[in-house]
Amino acid sequence: AQSVTQPDIHITVSEGASLELRCNYSYGATPYLFWYVQSPGQGLQLLLKYFSGDTLVQGIKGFEAEFKRSQSSFNLRKPSVHWSDAAEYFCAVGAYNQGGKLIFGQGTELSVKP
Amino acid sequence: EAGVAQSPRYKIIEKRQSVAFWCNPISGHATLYWYQQILGQGPKLLIQFQNNGVVDDSQLPKDRFSAERLKGVDSTLKIQPAKLEDSAVYLCASSLEGGISTDTQYFGPGTRLTVL
Repeated sequence: AQSVTQPDIHITVSEGASLELRCNYSYGATPYLFWYVQSPGQGLQLLLKYFSGDTLVQGIKGFEAEFKRSQSSFNLRKPSVHWSDAAEYFCAVGAYNQGGKLIFGQGTELSVKP
Repeated sequence: EAGVAQSPRYKIIEKRQSVAFWCNPISGHATLYWYQQILGQGPKLLIQFQNNGVVDDSQLPKDRFSAERLKGVDSTLKIQPAKLEDSAVYLCASSLEGGISTDTQYFGPGTRLTVL
């Protein structure tokens, strides 16, 4: 069965510092991978997605993620964090034979120190 | 373009009462999803509609939860009777195509349900 693990429940970084949020997935075939962000009181917004091709994916708001098949990982990165990036981040996995169904990780809450 | 609309935004009920949530997806979107997000967890899919037909309701607790999507547009999710463990945020999402995994899902702001 598909599963997604986000090992870090909460991360705090200083404004201007770099960020990496970890995501590991379990799936037998090539997964479809997504990162979503959820601000307080808001719905989820798609940051980026990976289906195939170049394993380094660029998204909105300056985020990028790298698919590493050998490590079953899809980590999210940003070179310089802004205070407005404070939110909860969710990694999700889908598959070609699952319709639109997504399996979400438990989320990582990001706090940004001034 | 208007986003996914949900109402109410907040609801507090006593256990064993019933409650209903409403969702209006983005215009023209064929697929509609209801997710349950318990505090500290990621969203979990409850039911997926394509137009007005059910694609996946394998994780919907059918003894107490029901959902419909009349005319393939708006949808309602009902809980009757509610239990304490139903306290969660209920998210509605929609996507343009017919439930293809590569299709972007757009989420509404959610309804926060508290069951006392």
